Amino acid sequence: GQNIDQPTEMTATEGAIVQINCTYQTSGFNGLFWYQQHAGEAPTFLSYNVLDGLEEKGRFSSFLSRSKGYSYLLLKELQMKDSASYLCAVKSSGNTPLVFGKGTRLSVIA
Amino acid sequence: DVKVTQSSRYLVKRTGEKVFLECVQDMDHENMFWYRQDPGLGLRLIYFSYDVKMKEKGDIPEGYSVSREKKERFSLILESASTNQTSMYLCASSSPGGNEKLFFGSGTQLSVL
Repeated sequence: GQNIDQPTEMTATEGAIVQINCTYQTSGFNGLFWYQQHAGEAPTFLSYNVLDGLEEKGRFSSFLSRSKGYSYLLLKELQMKDSASYLCAVKSSGNTPLVFGKGTRLSVIA
Repeated sequence: DVKVTQSSRYLVKRTGEKVFLECVQDMDHENMFWYRQDPGLGLRLIYFSYDVKMKEKGDIPEGYSVSREKKERFSLILESASTNQTSMYLCASSSPGGNEKLFFGSGTQLSVL
């Protein structure tokens, strides 16, 4: 079976750093994705990791450890507009669709 | 930019009605997907298609069917709508490859009364 776990909700303060964790157990591994979804809107792509290590893209970074089945999304210098749900998704093989976690709703407070 | 267009943003239907949800993408993507999104359950895959006239069941296909007669269009059909199909429906498309990132439509909020 396939299982992707991430916290349901998180709260962080404007200007701070927050780390959203994702653990996965899948039958294979062909990449891990993070998407951002603002309330009432469609998910949009944030990052893709297929090799171990950290990928940095501006204020957002994503980390992957394949041996531990673990990823995190790191958001720095939080802004109010970062309040959204963050979805972790795994591609288990080249010919299978993404499997999504249930998402983490992040609230950024002043 | 990729555009994935869903025909309706909000839809209200009655139990037993046949419902068509249309999705069109303009970037010549081979892959198209239908998901539903419910609070606490996340995104769940209903059906997907990797080519014209090809379709594959996802995790929750019961009560749904799909049609892909043209590459750019992927339709989701509820043969006889039921109240438990009240949900947000999201269409997505992608090109095959390593970083197969999905582009989503704006979603259709379907209410079945």
